[in-house]
Amino acid sequence: QVQLQESGPGLVKPSETLSLTCTVSGGSISSSYWSWIRQAPGRGLEWIGYIYYSGSTNYNPSLKSRVTISVDTSRNQFSLNLRSVTAADTAMYYCARGGFCGGGDCRRPFDYWGQGALVTVSS
Amino acid sequence: QSALTQPRSVSGSPGQSVTISCTGTSSDVGSYDYVSWYQQHAGKAPKLMIYDVFKRPSGVPDRFSGSKSGNTASLTISGVQAEDEADYYCGSYAGSWVFGGGTKLTVL
Repeated sequence: QVQLQESGPGLVKPSETLSLTCTVSGGSISSSYWSWIRQAPGRGLEWIGYIYYSGSTNYNPSLKSRVTISVDTSRNQFSLNLRSVTAADTAMYYCARGGFCGGGDCRRPFDYWGQGALVTVSS
Repeated sequence: QSALTQPRSVSGSPGQSVTISCTGTSSDVGSYDYVSWYQQHAGKAPKLMIYDVFKRPSGVPDRFSGSKSGNTASLTISGVQAEDEADYYCGSYAGSWVFGGGTKLTVL
């Protein structure tokens, strides 16, 4: 059973960088694509981007200028950096498996999720 | 990409069928069969219920089904049960993912 766990600071100051790490257990990070998804309080889901173990990435066009997702296969982890944050970036941040679609198949997108990490942007 | 459009709420009595719509555009829902549905109970992470329009992951009850016509996808729960009360989100992939705003299902 694949399990994901987010970790990182729960409070970030405006204009600084939000950094989170997702640790994957129960399976190899080299077997899938991996995504970050966020949910502002009382709002819907917003996909941030995904990464493959090779380092190939795809980002939400609306966040692309501020986002970097990286992978550490030796630790079975992938990470999110979101730069120049504002209060609008306050949200629950989830890591999830999957996100790539092609050849008529989405390969069960986001079939495993972490429990989420609440990040508040405030001074 | 703009968010997909879902009704804010739907309701039904136990045993009834309930359908949640998800309207996109010819650039996303209308062009690709990459539509998925997620169930989210309060305070929990979302759960994949349907993917590739109509495919159901193992463990998801067969009362959940998905379909698509033109730019609109639908999730139908046939014989809704009390434990189905939750928020439901649709998502569509067209090079990047876009989600709907969510629909709150109330079981009366």
